[in-house]
Amino acid sequence: DTAVSQTPKYLVTQMGNDKSIKCEQNLGHDTMYWYKQDSKKFLKIMFSYNNKELIINETVPNRFSPKSPDKAHLNLHINSLELGDSAVYFCASSGGTGGSPLHFGNGTRLTVT
Amino acid sequence: AQSVTQLDSQVPVFEEAPVELRCNYSSSVSVYLFWYVQYPNQGLQLLLKYLSGSTLVESINGFEAEFNKSQTSFHLRKPSVHISDTAEYFCAVVIQGAQKLVFGQGTRLTINP
Repeated sequence: DTAVSQTPKYLVTQMGNDKSIKCEQNLGHDTMYWYKQDSKKFLKIMFSYNNKELIINETVPNRFSPKSPDKAHLNLHINSLELGDSAVYFCASSGGTGGSPLHFGNGTRLTVT
Repeated sequence: AQSVTQLDSQVPVFEEAPVELRCNYSSSVSVYLFWYVQYPNQGLQLLLKYLSGSTLVESINGFEAEFNKSQTSFHLRKPSVHISDTAEYFCAVVIQGAQKLVFGQGTRLTINP
C-alpha cells in the first residue's frame, strides 16, 4: 500500500491557468509538508501543516494556497501559473517531532508552458 | 537558522570502490541529522539518521555516517558501492524541537562499471 500518494504524477499546463495537486497519507501522521524541487534538484520547504493547522509557511507567493481538509490530506492549489513554477512538487508526512523522518510521495512534475 | 552544505555536486566512482559524500551543517543549537536517497523519478527515502547516542549510524544497505560535532559534519560513507547505489543523496538537518527540515543541495553519485 502506498504510504504517501500524490496525484497527478505529471501536470502540463499553460501560463495563467489554475491547477491543484492532491496528497494523501495513510500512515496516521499528524504533520504534512509540501516541498518544491527545482531543475537543479534543490529541495525547499513550502508549507507544513500539523493536524490541519498551518505551522510553516515559507516565503511562497500567495498564488500558492495549501488546504488540509483533515490530517490525512494536504492539497496544493496554484493560481495564475507562471513559467518559474515548473518544478517537481513533493508531498511528505512525518510523526511530528523533529526526529521523526519524513515519508515522501513520488512527486508531481509540473510543467508550465 | 540551520543550513546544510554538501561539498560535492557530483561524485563518480567505480563499482566496488569506496565512497564518501560530504556534508557540513551550521546551527547554533542542537540538531538532528539525516541522509535521504532519491532514485530516478522517485521521492526521497530515508537512508539513516542521527538523533543521539552513538555518533556512528548505519543503514541496512551498507552505508554509514558519522556525526562529528566539533567539525559540524555528517559525512556518508560506503566501503564498496554497487551499480544500484546510483542516485541523488541529500543531507538534511532539523533543529531539535522544531519541524523544519532543511536539505543540502544534493550529491549525485554515479557508479561506473
